[in-house]
Amino acid sequence: GAVVSQHPSWVICKSGTSVKIECRSLDFQATTMFWYRQFPKQSLMLMATSNEGSKATYEQGVEKDKFLINHASLTLSTLTVTSAHPEDSSFYICSAQGKGNNEQFFGPGTRLTVL
Amino acid sequence: LAKTTQPISMDSYEGQEVNITCSHNNIATNDYITWYQQFPSQGPRFIIQGYKTKVTNEVASLFIPADRKSSTLSLPRVSLSDTAVYYCLVGNYGQNFVFGPGTRLSVLP
Repeated sequence: GAVVSQHPSWVICKSGTSVKIECRSLDFQATTMFWYRQFPKQSLMLMATSNEGSKATYEQGVEKDKFLINHASLTLSTLTVTSAHPEDSSFYICSAQGKGNNEQFFGPGTRLTVL
Repeated sequence: LAKTTQPISMDSYEGQEVNITCSHNNIATNDYITWYQQFPSQGPRFIIQGYKTKVTNEVASLFIPADRKSSTLSLPRVSLSDTAVYYCLVGNYGQNFVFGPGTRLSVLP
């Protein structure tokens, strides 16, 4: 089956630093990737949608200058949380979708803790 | 994007069949219905997807009536390890999924 990986699985950083999270589709080409954020006991909230080779589309309320998304290849998308603050601490999950495929395959998530 | 409504929580006992129904009254013609399972601190895991009638795989069945305004996920003979949150989503290729609160299933011994 389709596998999506994320790296790192968890990260702890100091306030003000930047953190990069990678999302990879391991056995298929992902034309579209999605980034979600999930706070404890809550549902997933979509942050942005990215298509390979084009700029990401951000959901309302998500700062594009703070959450930088790059989808440079058909197997890799990155989310960079710039100048992270404690309120950015959350569980970040990516998903990937192949061309013509209605299924989204989710990564295992990345736990970000900002001190 | 079609909005979905599910029960917030359900309890069941080991060995029972569990049916979780989802309402999606404004589902579009091209939308598929997909169910995911999520354990704490893990990404959602694909369970099953369907468009109409009935779909069955090794872990679940999905029943979709002719009007497609609802769907029912059926989990046969649940075990303790099936305790999780279950999400019903509708959408089409290229569209993002709008996650509702999901259904928190608790399987009791």
